Amino acid sequence: EAQVTQNPRYLITVTGKKLTVTCSQNMNHEYMSWYRQDPGLGLRQIYYSMNVEVTDKGDVPEGYKVSRKEKRNFPLILESPSPNQTSLYFCASSARASGGETQYFGPGTRLLVL
Amino acid sequence: GQQVMQIPQYQHVQEGEDFTTYCNSSTTLSNIQWYKQRPGGHPVFLIQLVKSGEVKKQKRLTFQFGEAKKNSSLHITATQTTDVGTYFCAGGGGSNYKLTFGKGTLLTVNP
Repeated sequence: EAQVTQNPRYLITVTGKKLTVTCSQNMNHEYMSWYRQDPGLGLRQIYYSMNVEVTDKGDVPEGYKVSRKEKRNFPLILESPSPNQTSLYFCASSARASGGETQYFGPGTRLLVL
Repeated sequence: GQQVMQIPQYQHVQEGEDFTTYCNSSTTLSNIQWYKQRPGGHPVFLIQLVKSGEVKKQKRLTFQFGEAKKNSSLHITATQTTDVGTYFCAGGGGSNYKLTFGKGTLLTVNP
């Protein structure tokens, strides 16, 4: 089954404790992206990757890192989480790096930073 | 940068009433996509519009793309409780190939 998976689905952590949210897709997609969703703010793009070893900042990259060593995986790293990073995070992928491609979203990761 | 405004933010209707959400872009778009997110779920692709003035239908849903390719609408006829969720538009055409999402319209339906 074609899908985007994220782990963990729920996470409670404390300020400053490094964490990684994994994202994997099995559709051989070139383009992958991370979004955060907050009430009243919609979906905001954090980082995106147009292909392996090619990443770039989205609209709200501060406090986040990403890597794209393999085509299927695109982990999101929070080196020193802070309470303002409490949010619902979605990973998404599309076949190619084009605004005309359908984006397939993962199930989401709900993060609470205390 | 490119901005996509979506209104209304919330809409509550009685079952059977119609519903419309609107998107407006600050720049001309190459395409616009619509997504639906059920409560507790993730955004799911509904449709893409590419041509100026394009109209597409999916059962009770009608999608339009403006002549100037700067606005779009989603209209639901005779809403049902299964239509509940947040509807997002997303515009393509930015310099970095990304989609710019509107903030979404949360639709609730009273049975």
